[in-house]
Amino acid sequence: AQSVTQLDSHVSVSEGTPVLLRCNYSSSYSPSLFWYVQHPNKGLQLLLKYTSAATLVKGINGFEAEFKKSETSFHLTKPSAHMSDAAEYFCVVTPLSGGYNKLIFGAGTRLAVHP
Amino acid sequence: EAGVAQSPRYKIIEKRQSVAFWCNPISGHATLYWYQQILGQGPKLLIQFQNNGVVDDSQLPKDRFSAERLKGVDSTLKIQPAKLEDSAVYLCASSLAPGRLETQYFGPGTRLLVL
Repeated sequence: AQSVTQLDSHVSVSEGTPVLLRCNYSSSYSPSLFWYVQHPNKGLQLLLKYTSAATLVKGINGFEAEFKKSETSFHLTKPSAHMSDAAEYFCVVTPLSGGYNKLIFGAGTRLAVHP
Repeated sequence: EAGVAQSPRYKIIEKRQSVAFWCNPISGHATLYWYQQILGQGPKLLIQFQNNGVVDDSQLPKDRFSAERLKGVDSTLKIQPAKLEDSAVYLCASSLAPGRLETQYFGPGTRLLVL
């Protein structure tokens, strides 16, 4: 069965420093992977998605993620954190089940950004 | 472009009562999803519609939960009777089509508290 594990439930960084949110996946085939962000009282928003076209994926708001098959990882990074990046981040995998778009979410990582 | 609309935003009920949530997807989106997000966890898919037909309801507790999308546009999710463990945020999402790479757009959610 496909799944994702987010290795940190909470990450705290200072404004202007790099962000690293870690995600490992489990899949018996080449998966589709996503990162979603959830700001308080707002809907989930897609940050980026990996679809096997390129291993380094660039998303919105300066975020990017690198697919590493040998490490079964899909970590999310940003060179310089901004206060507005404080939110909950979810790593997501889509299983190959009849072509339907079923998202399987990780438990989430809460990112705090300090001035 | 208007996003996914949900109502109500908040609901407090007592156990064994009934409750219904409403979702209006983005215009033209054929696929609609209901997710349950329990505090501290990632969202879990409850049911997926393609137009007005159900394509996946494998994780819907059918003894108490029901959902419909009669005209293939808006949808309602009902819980009857509610239990304490149903306290969660109920998220509605829609996508243009059901394919694995289709982006899902999420509404703000309905936060349910069962006392």
